[in-house]
Amino acid sequence: AQSVAQPEDQVNVAEGNPLTVKCTYSVSGNPYLFWYVQYPNRGLQFLLKYITGDNLVKGSYGFEAEFNKSQTSFHLKKPSALVSDSALYFCAVRDPHASGGGADGLTFGKGTHLIIQP
Amino acid sequence: DTAVSQTPKYLVTQMGNDKSIKCEQNLGHDTMYWYKQDSKKFLKIMFSYNNKELIINETVPNRFSPKSPDKAHLNLHINSLELGDSAVYFCASSQLLAAAYQETQYFGPGTRLLVL
Repeated sequence: AQSVAQPEDQVNVAEGNPLTVKCTYSVSGNPYLFWYVQYPNRGLQFLLKYITGDNLVKGSYGFEAEFNKSQTSFHLKKPSALVSDSALYFCAVRDPHASGGGADGLTFGKGTHLIIQP
Repeated sequence: DTAVSQTPKYLVTQMGNDKSIKCEQNLGHDTMYWYKQDSKKFLKIMFSYNNKELIINETVPNRFSPKSPDKAHLNLHINSLELGDSAVYFCASSQLLAAAYQETQYFGPGTRLLVL
């Protein structure tokens, strides 16, 4: 079965500093990996995804993520944090080899609260 | 224009009642989903549905049933509501690609259900 782990419940970063939100995954084959962000009382917004190709994926709002197959990780990064980046971040995975047909949902991690301090 | 919309935004009801949450997407997608987010913010897939198949997460009670009047709508009907059903329910949609599982899912704003 596929799974995602986000080891940190909360990450605190000073504004202007680089940020990293960690994610590791477990799937039977090559994974498809996603990052979403949830602002308070809002739905999830898509940030970026890794399907294949370049291990460094660039997404919305200046975020990027690096796929590392040997470490089974897909950490989210941003070179310079903004206070407006404060939100709940979810890593998610889909396993193309999973059973259940072509319309299975995403498997999410438990989320990481990112707090950017002015 | 809102791509994926849900109504109502908030729903407060008594135990034992039957309620429905509506979801509409104007993206022309062919697959829709329902997710449940519990009080600890954990997100879990409940259903995924396209015009060919319904995939049900085996942990979802049969009191929950998705109903799709057409390709742009996937409503969630809940019978005999229980206290533990209190959560935020998110609808999502995607367009299945030739290479399955690669598509991006787009989420609605959520419906906050409180069962008293």
